[in-house]
Amino acid sequence: DAGVTQSPTHLIKTRGQHVTLRCSPISGHKSVSWYQQVLGQGPQFIFQYYEKEERGRGNFPDRFSARQFPNYSSELNVNALLLGDSALYLCASSLEDNTEAFFGQGTRLTVV
Amino acid sequence: AQSVTQLGSHVSVSEGALVLLRCNYSSSVPPYLFWYVQYPNQGLQLLLKYTTGATLVKGINGFEAEFKKSETSFHLTKPSAHMSDAAEYFCAVSDPEAGANNLFFGTGTRLTVIP
Repeated sequence: DAGVTQSPTHLIKTRGQHVTLRCSPISGHKSVSWYQQVLGQGPQFIFQYYEKEERGRGNFPDRFSARQFPNYSSELNVNALLLGDSALYLCASSLEDNTEAFFGQGTRLTVV
Repeated sequence: AQSVTQLGSHVSVSEGALVLLRCNYSSSVPPYLFWYVQYPNQGLQLLLKYTTGATLVKGINGFEAEFKKSETSFHLTKPSAHMSDAAEYFCAVSDPEAGANNLFFGTGTRLTVIP
């Protein structure tokens, strides 16, 4: 069975640009969460979506947004990129709202 | 609000020695607690979790952790370290009301295993 898949795996963007990161959950999983992991630190919670509705939001600026599609895949969008947005972005999926989360390999975003 | 403190950003043990990685948490409600492992350039893999019930939790790869409410701790142990255990380990806490997907992570402990 395929696990959580994220695309692209690596990405380089320029300050001020916009980026879209994509996540496909494990088949049958209805919940998707996004995390930002800056080098040398633990992941920080950004968003959770369940059944296409936002269920939680971390302490991130409005430049960060996300959505979940009818097939439960998800996109994370970041506008007006800053150098500090350089990080590994992790997506996690779970069967229901409060069950175990399975993580993807992440997207490494570098902002120059 | 939830938070996690992992004591020791780097831990080195000899192969075959006891592994002890420390985690203390802060939570306004009885928490769910997790340990994840991360290998270089990879995502996170769940080692074990505590939700309710037995306070001694056994996980994969011979790891276990004990939930001690009085000490607000959830330390991770393994009796005998293996070279393949070298990785970054993260302790995490969540509010049961918010579910197992809104995780608050510690800053991680890098485990080195010396041959």
